[in-house]
Amino acid sequence: AQSVAQPEDQVNVAEGNPLTVKCTYSVSGNPYLFWYVQYPNRGLQFLLKYITGDNLVKGSYGFEAEFNKSQTSFHLKKPSALVSDSALYFCAVRAPFSGGYNKLIFGAGTRLAVHP
Amino acid sequence: SAVISQKPSRDICQRGTSLTIQCQVDSQVTMMFWYRQQPGQSLTLIATANQGSEATYESGFVIDKFPISRPNLTFSTLTVSNMSPEDSSIYLCSVRTGGSSTGELFFGEGSRLTVL
Repeated sequence: AQSVAQPEDQVNVAEGNPLTVKCTYSVSGNPYLFWYVQYPNRGLQFLLKYITGDNLVKGSYGFEAEFNKSQTSFHLKKPSALVSDSALYFCAVRAPFSGGYNKLIFGAGTRLAVHP
Repeated sequence: SAVISQKPSRDICQRGTSLTIQCQVDSQVTMMFWYRQQPGQSLTLIATANQGSEATYESGFVIDKFPISRPNLTFSTLTVSNMSPEDSSIYLCSVRTGGSSTGELFFGEGSRLTVL
């Protein structure tokens, strides 16, 4: 069965510092990986995805993520955090050809707090 | 991308009543998905709604409790029936663009239900 883990409930970082939000996954075969962000009282917004190709994926708002197959990880990164990046971040995984409607499985979420 | 509108955005409901959430998409999509996000938790897929066919429910969710309609390619409704305080959640409508495995999900703003 496919699953995704976000080991940190919360990440605190000072504005201007680099940030990393961790994600590891478990899936049979090659995974399709996604990051979403949820601002307070809002729906989820798509940030980026890895399907195939270059392991470093760039997305919205200056975020990027690196796919590491040997470590089964897909950590979200940003070189310089902004206070406005403070939000709830979700990692998600889909196993290709998993049957049904190729369900997307979400991690528990990590709350990012960027302090001025 | 897709723009998704959900109504109501929030509501306070009495125990034992039912509420219907509407989801309108600005383009035609084959599949629509309904998620539940309980307070402080991640997203759980309730069901997948295809136009012209019965919705497919995930384990733990049944049609009598969460009836879904999908009358056309741009609209769906989710009803939360005979509500109890445990149904207090954010309910999110989403659609997938692109490939069935590679496409990302786009979400509505969510409907925040509080059941007293």
